[in-house]
Amino acid sequence: GQNIDQPTEMTATEGAIVQINCTYQTSGFNGLFWYQQHAGEAPTFLSYNVLDGLEEKGRFSSFLSRSKGYSYLLLKELQMKDSASYLCAVKGFQKLVFGTGTRLLVSP
Amino acid sequence: EAGVAQSPRYKIIEKRQSVAFWCNPISGHATLYWYQQILGQGPKLLIQFQNNGVVDDSQLPKDRFSAERLKGVDSTLKIQPAKLEDSAVYLCASSSQTSGGAYEQYFGPGTRLTVT
Repeated sequence: GQNIDQPTEMTATEGAIVQINCTYQTSGFNGLFWYQQHAGEAPTFLSYNVLDGLEEKGRFSSFLSRSKGYSYLLLKELQMKDSASYLCAVKGFQKLVFGTGTRLLVSP
Repeated sequence: EAGVAQSPRYKIIEKRQSVAFWCNPISGHATLYWYQQILGQGPKLLIQFQNNGVVDDSQLPKDRFSAERLKGVDSTLKIQPAKLEDSAVYLCASSSQTSGGAYEQYFGPGTRLTVT
C-alpha cells in the first residue's frame, strides 16, 4: 500500500519563501507529482520528480530523495495567488495516490 | 486544446436516489480516471480506464457505483443508490499514457454532489 503525509496547513507572507514537505511510504515507485488546487477548482500539475535531486521551474522547485521517502515543494517570491492547497501524489505501478494536501495561506 | 469536460457541475439529490456524471477527456488521451474528493482530503481514485478497458477499480464501491467507457472516449459514472457519505466532488482526469514517465493527469472542473 501507500501512505503519504504532508502538513495540513501553512501560512506565509507575500514575497517570502515557503517549503512544503511530503513523506511517503510506497510498495512501488514511478515518480512523485505536485499539484496545485485552488478552492473550488480542479488540481493543476506543477512538477514531477522520478530521480533524486532538485527540479526547478520558475518560482517553484521540487526536491526528491527516494532513499528517505521524502520530497518538498519550494515556492519563492510568494504571491497572493499562491494561496491554494498543494497536493503531493506518488505514482505506483499504475495508480497515482494523493496525500490530503497542504493548505497554504499567503498574507500581505 | 480543449480541456477535460464534465457535466453537470453541481447536483443535489436525496439519499437512495440515482445520479450519473459525464466526462469527455482531452482528445487523444487513452487513459481516463474518475476520482472522489471529499472536502479537506486529496482525490481518491475510483476507477482508471485504458481506452475502454478497466485498469484499476479496486477502490470503487461496486455495490452502488458503476462506470463505463464504451467507445474509449466519453465516460459515465453512476451512483445507485446514493448515500450521505457520497457527498463529494467527483473529478474526471485524462492522460496520454498510464505507465512510466511524467504523463501528468489533466483534471476537469469536477461535479459537486450533495446528498441530503
